[in-house]
This record gives sequence, structure tokens and C-alpha cells, in this order.
Amino acid sequence: GEKVEQHESTLSVREGDSAVINCTYTDTASSYFPWYKQEAGKSLHFVIDIRSNVDRKQSQRLTVLLDKKAKRFSLHITATQPEDSAIYFCAAASSGSWQLIFGSGTQLTVMP
Amino acid sequence: GGIITQTPKFLIGQEGQKLTLKCQQNFNHDTMYWYRQDSGKGLRLIYYSITENDLQKGDLSEGYDASREKKSSFSLTVTSAQKNEMAVFLCASSIPGGRNAEQFFGPGTRLTVL
Repeated sequence: GEKVEQHESTLSVREGDSAVINCTYTDTASSYFPWYKQEAGKSLHFVIDIRSNVDRKQSQRLTVLLDKKAKRFSLHITATQPEDSAIYFCAAASSGSWQLIFGSGTQLTVMP
Repeated sequence: GGIITQTPKFLIGQEGQKLTLKCQQNFNHDTMYWYRQDSGKGLRLIYYSITENDLQKGDLSEGYDASREKKSSFSLTVTSAQKNEMAVFLCASSIPGGRNAEQFFGPGTRLTVL
């Protein structure tokens, strides 16, 4: 079945710098790639997603890039702020599936 | 807006015990999900329900039962708790037409088995 690997388990950046979190997937049929954020002691909430008909999507300081050939997608956060500190989960699903397959999470720490 | 409520917040059980976790949502969403989150790992899907009266197994369904009592509520039963098991169980719901759509998560139930 589908596997999603999240390559960085931890990432530290200075406030104002950019952060990049990378994920790879195995199923070529995957077509939906959301990202979720989990702040300390809280549950997950959706931040951004991308579908396979585009290779780039931006929402304010967040950009998701999708490279279907390499089966890789990434979350780019610019001008990081302390409130960006959280665990970020990538996920993937095929268009015919209700099931999201999650990566193991990246703990992002933004240092002042 | 809406909210997802999970009860109890903390659940302590004994080995072999049957334990039930409850989830309620007032988004009026059709689809609901139960995930298990283990420390250092991603979420794994246990059960989901596309609409009221529907039940589908996820990759981690063995050892669990689920029940969609009505549109707003979805319960999960651990059929026989495993000794030293510790995990957080998250309930989620998604918007109508919810395949490949944003999911809204509840605060979680933290399970500890003694």
C-alpha cells in the first residue's frame, strides 16, 4: 500500500528565515496531498493542500511544491514566526480513496 | 463554525478490558474518521464512516469496533486493551463530498493501559 515518508523529524530555524519540509510517497495513483499542523498540546488542523493537476500552490507565507516524477512534495514556510513552531504532518491519498496516509511528522522549532 | 467533542479526554484501562471512546460533531459533516496517533509516528486510520449507517475499515481496524449511531456521533471500541498500550485517539470529520477534502480534528482521547 501507499507509504509516505517525511524526511526531517526535527527542523530548527531562526525567526525570519525560511523552512522547508520534504515528503515522498510511493503510490503513483496519489493525487491529493494535504498538510496538517499540530501545536503543542493541541489537535491537528489543516494548513494547505495541493492536487496533482498543479505543481505549486501558495497561501500567504506557505507554498507547497509537487514533483510527480520524483513522487515528492514539500512545504515551504517563508518569514517564519515563533507561532509557526509545531509538528507538521504531510499526507497523501489517491483520488479514489477516502484514506489519508500520513507521514511521521516534522517538529519545526522557530528560534527567536 | 463547528466543534468536535471527544469523551473521555483521558482513559485508563486494564489489560483485556473493553473500552469505548465517543465523538460528537456539530459541523453537520457526513464523513467521520477515527485515527490512532502513537508518539513519534503519523496518524493511522482505524475506521471511517462515509455517511450515517456506513462503516469502513481502515488499515488499523484489527482489535477495534466502531459504530455510527447518528450523523453527529461516531464511537470507537477497543475490544481488548493491550498491556502498556499508550496512544492518542483522534476523531475527525470532513465536509460534504469529503473524499480528498479538509478534515477537522477533535482534541483527542489519551489512552493508557495498565
